Amino acid sequence: DAMVIQNPRYQVTQFGKPVTLSCSQTLNHNVMYWYQQKSSQAPKLLFHYYDKDFNNEADTPDNFQSRRPNTSFCFLDIRSPGLGDAAMYLCATSRGAQGSNQPQHFGDGTRLSIL
Amino acid sequence: AQKITQTQPGMFVQEKEAVTLDCTYDTSDPSYGLFWYKQPSSGEMIFLIYQGSYDQQNATEGRYSLNFQKARKSANLVISASQLGDSAMYFCAMREGPGANSKLTFGKGITLSVRP
Repeated sequence: DAMVIQNPRYQVTQFGKPVTLSCSQTLNHNVMYWYQQKSSQAPKLLFHYYDKDFNNEADTPDNFQSRRPNTSFCFLDIRSPGLGDAAMYLCATSRGAQGSNQPQHFGDGTRLSIL
Repeated sequence: AQKITQTQPGMFVQEKEAVTLDCTYDTSDPSYGLFWYKQPSSGEMIFLIYQGSYDQQNATEGRYSLNFQKARKSANLVISASQLGDSAMYFCAMREGPGANSKLTFGKGITLSVRP
């Protein structure tokens, strides 16, 4: 089945130690998103790629970077994680340029803990 | 002003009963889309149903239907014949405009608990 896959499902890292979360998709969607979701809160968009074009949200900390080497893969890099970065990180994809009726399809998320 | 408002803090429903989850929105864009997502405790975000601003009829998907009242700017989700597996967090979201870079804005979510 076509889907959005996030690895790992759970990630533990140390304070200040760089960490990379990965997302892959078999939907061949041209838009990929990264969200941060803290407990009992709505997902917060960090950035998204429309094809190779990177779109950063104004309030996304510089600590967060992203790479999209090809259509299928997208990575979230946290350069120096702080305790406040502990959260669920959700990757999503959608078809772009076809109007506002395209849903975003989400992966299962990576739950990040900081020691 | 918040673009998506979900004010119900938590909802309880008896198994097999119907339940309505409220959502109001605010936009000046004539072209927009409204989405409902379900998020179980395991964390994945599951797309349920979509309503477009120009759609003449209320959307339905199996046990899910959307009570779309455009003049009141509300898009309430109705779940019929509730099941225990419906217990989850439910998010209403809006996408404004037809542009490729238009983003989803989520509400704060509503927790639904289905009682046996």
